[in-house]
Amino acid sequence: QQPVQSPQAVILREGEDAVINCSSSKALYSVHWYRQKHGEAPVFLMILLKGGEQKGHDKISASFNEKKQQSSLYLTASQLSYSGTYFCGTEASTSGTYKYIFGTGTRLKVLA
Amino acid sequence: ETGVTQTPRHLVMGMTNKKSLKCEQHLGHNAMYWYKQSAKKPLELMFVYSLEERVENNSVPSRFSPECPNSSHLFLHLHTLQPEDSALYLCASSYGQGSSYEQYFGPGTRLTVT
Repeated sequence: QQPVQSPQAVILREGEDAVINCSSSKALYSVHWYRQKHGEAPVFLMILLKGGEQKGHDKISASFNEKKQQSSLYLTASQLSYSGTYFCGTEASTSGTYKYIFGTGTRLKVLA
Repeated sequence: ETGVTQTPRHLVMGMTNKKSLKCEQHLGHNAMYWYKQSAKKPLELMFVYSLEERVENNSVPSRFSPECPNSSHLFLHLHTLQPEDSALYLCASSYGQGSSYEQYFGPGTRLTVT
């Protein structure tokens, strides 16, 4: 079963902040975050490999809570270019086999 | 060409046709992937190749047949598809296979099965 992302959709004004969560029912080995603009390919944002890890560049950062089987993506002072659909990609163990599964997606729209 | 390219970008085929999707990566990567993206559904991983060997097949129907002749090229051969197979098919590549490696995606092939 794929990780659940919340919220499903969010609308922001430029300069506002947003948090996107990715929650799994299985123990997570790693989390990737991608953004996909309409009609384009998904673009890699960042990887988190260790529980407790936090990463960021520019005004986008993420955290990985291994025990809670959750990752969060933080968008600070959002820009118009942040609009798109955000996906988490997770590697989780199922009966000793690692599977790579994408989350349900979060549609983000930033308005001027 | 740079990055990951896919051809054709759009394809319309009947249920009895046979067609192939092509993916090429110019990044020197060793792993390649096929994904299916349907409307309002998460990305679904279909196949994974690492060093030209198939390492994962996520219960994909046999009407989809992948081929990886070398580390730069990946094909998806299609035959007797169903209308529900209409979707965006994305190819991706990464330096290695596994969660430590970021994936680079191609622009996709928009497939419509009539």
